Amino acid sequence: EAQVTQNPRYLITVTGKKLTVTCSQNMNHEYMSWYRQDPGLGLRQIYYSMNVEVTDKGDVPEGYKVSRKEKRNFPLILESPSPNQTSLYFCATGLAGDFGYEQFFGPGTRLTVL
Amino acid sequence: AQSVTQLDSHVSVSEGTPVLLRCNYSSSYSPSLFWYVQHPNKGLQLLLKYTSAATLVKGINGFEAEFKKSETSFHLTKPSAHMSDAAEYFCVVSVLNRDDKIIFGKGTRLHILP
Repeated sequence: EAQVTQNPRYLITVTGKKLTVTCSQNMNHEYMSWYRQDPGLGLRQIYYSMNVEVTDKGDVPEGYKVSRKEKRNFPLILESPSPNQTSLYFCATGLAGDFGYEQFFGPGTRLTVL
Repeated sequence: AQSVTQLDSHVSVSEGTPVLLRCNYSSSYSPSLFWYVQHPNKGLQLLLKYTSAATLVKGINGFEAEFKKSETSFHLTKPSAHMSDAAEYFCVVSVLNRDDKIIFGKGTRLHILP
């Protein structure tokens, strides 16, 4: 089954404790992306990657890092989490069409930073 | 640059009546446009997409949308609302250019009244 998986699904942590949210896909898509979802703000893009070893900042990259060492994995790293990073996070892959990307989303990771 | 505006943050309709969720966009390039739905505590699911073929696009669960270039709109409609349509809906614009940006609208929450 084609899918995007994220782990963990739920995480409660404390300020300053480094964490990684993993994202893995089996669809062989080159494009991958991370979003955060906050009430009233919709989904905002954190980072995206158009291919292995190629990453770019989205709209809200501050406080986050990513890496793309292989096509299937795109982990999101919070080196020193803060309470304002409490949010619902989605990983997505993208399939390029004629004019844009159709995206396929993971189930989400709910992060709480105390 | 691209942008998406969902004109209503909340829409309430009675069960069995038509649904209209409005989306306007701007783009310097020919865009692909998408509607995604998110049911409570769930991930995002693709409802329908416009990618330069027919301007009237049919999606799942009886939804459709019409791409109107002259009005820069991509409104989502359904002839008869069902209780199961209660969810949040996101309009998304995507283009293929140097930045490969994907922009989400802030979402419209659809309430269905019995």
